[in-house]
Amino acid sequence: DAGVIQSPRHEVTEMGQEVTLRCKPISGHNSLFWYRQTMMRGLELLIYFNNNVPIDDSGMPEDRFSAKMPNASFSTLKIQPSEPRDSAVYFCASSTGDRAAQPQHFGDGTRLSIL
Amino acid sequence: SQQGEEDPQALSIQEGENATMNCSYKTSINNLQWYRQNSGRGLVHLILIRSNEREKHSGRLRVTLDTSKKSSSLLITASRAADTASYFCATDAGPGSSNTGKLIFGQGTTLQVKP
Repeated sequence: DAGVIQSPRHEVTEMGQEVTLRCKPISGHNSLFWYRQTMMRGLELLIYFNNNVPIDDSGMPEDRFSAKMPNASFSTLKIQPSEPRDSAVYFCASSTGDRAAQPQHFGDGTRLSIL
Repeated sequence: SQQGEEDPQALSIQEGENATMNCSYKTSINNLQWYRQNSGRGLVHLILIRSNEREKHSGRLRVTLDTSKKSSSLLITASRAADTASYFCATDAGPGSSNTGKLIFGQGTTLQVKP
């Protein structure tokens, strides 16, 4: 079975540009999570969805970040306008149910560099 | 602040030796999970231990949980070079929390197994 699929794997862009990261969760999973990983701050939860509905977006840094999940098989994380401090690896993960007891399955991430 | 904190931050051992990593957390939990991250890849779920369990095994992995001390340990026996990775503990929001889907990750232990 295919795991969580993220695209692109790498993105290099100039500050001020709009960046869109994409995620396809595992079929049948109804919870989806967006994380950001940096050396300084470790792995941070940005937002998570359950049944396509945002449940907790308290980790979204600021209004420049937005996330959508239009259907059960697709989610986007958008940064507009991007800034150099947004450079990080962004992970998407999915799991079954809405309980933390369920293991999360991670994609291989998008490595984002903002120049 | 992080819920889970791993100790040590880095560990270097010879192949065949055992590796022990520790995790401490601050608040009550429903369960604790351990994940592995290979360089350039997403996190992979290893094992989940519930708050009413004290020890769990999976292959060469042994996890213990002491809820009175709010700590957990991950033991990898007979380590192999392929075990070289970062290892993270993750805890949920705990009983009574409405935020049941959220996991909070520690900063991780970087394990190097030398051939």
